[in-house]
Amino acid sequence: RKEVEQDPGPFNVPEGATVAFNCTYSNSASQSFFWYRQDCRKEPKLLMSVYSSGNEDGRFTAQLNRASQYISLLIRDSKLSDSATYLCVVNWAGNQFYFGTGTSLTVIP
Amino acid sequence: DTEVTQTPKHLVMGMTNKKSLKCEQHMGHRAMYWYKQKAKKPPELMFVYSYEKLSINESVPSRFSPECPNSSLLNLHLHALQPEDSALYLCASSQGLAEETQYFGPGTRLLVL
Repeated sequence: RKEVEQDPGPFNVPEGATVAFNCTYSNSASQSFFWYRQDCRKEPKLLMSVYSSGNEDGRFTAQLNRASQYISLLIRDSKLSDSATYLCVVNWAGNQFYFGTGTSLTVIP
Repeated sequence: DTEVTQTPKHLVMGMTNKKSLKCEQHMGHRAMYWYKQKAKKPPELMFVYSYEKLSINESVPSRFSPECPNSSLLNLHLHALQPEDSALYLCASSQGLAEETQYFGPGTRLLVL
């Protein structure tokens, strides 16, 4: 079983749509959680950290459910520029970060 | 400044060559990482340095040799690579605490012929 699992997609949504991604993790001792986005042939860039109370940054909302061991990312009013791969990242062993397989999003005009 | 720099951006090498990848950060981060990423796959952890000491080696073949000369620099020495080692090599750094964010460099795209 993989430590972190994501639906790879692809998700193809029209501009203005709301889209949600989920990510599950296997280790209940996980300490920190992140969503990164990665554009084609570029490095991953931090989108947002995920806190227990949930957090929002503009059109993006992240939630953490420790009991069910999943995190989610909601994108409202999708823009063309949101097209990317979204990576779920979990940390539970000091400096070791575990990546999900990534979810591919394409926003269509 | 949240920048991690990597050189070179691109590298083509033969299987008998020796080359080095370089990574630098000036954020005062005490943990640095090497990842390997193949197309359409997530980054795979190779090595972690914490306070300039190798703390994690994810069973990486000895043809990859990391080096951390000081807290700002991380090198990856390459020798006798195979074509399947062609990938994007990403360096990252974090403050050093478990809950801290990782910042990635732009990567070195490596092609082994």
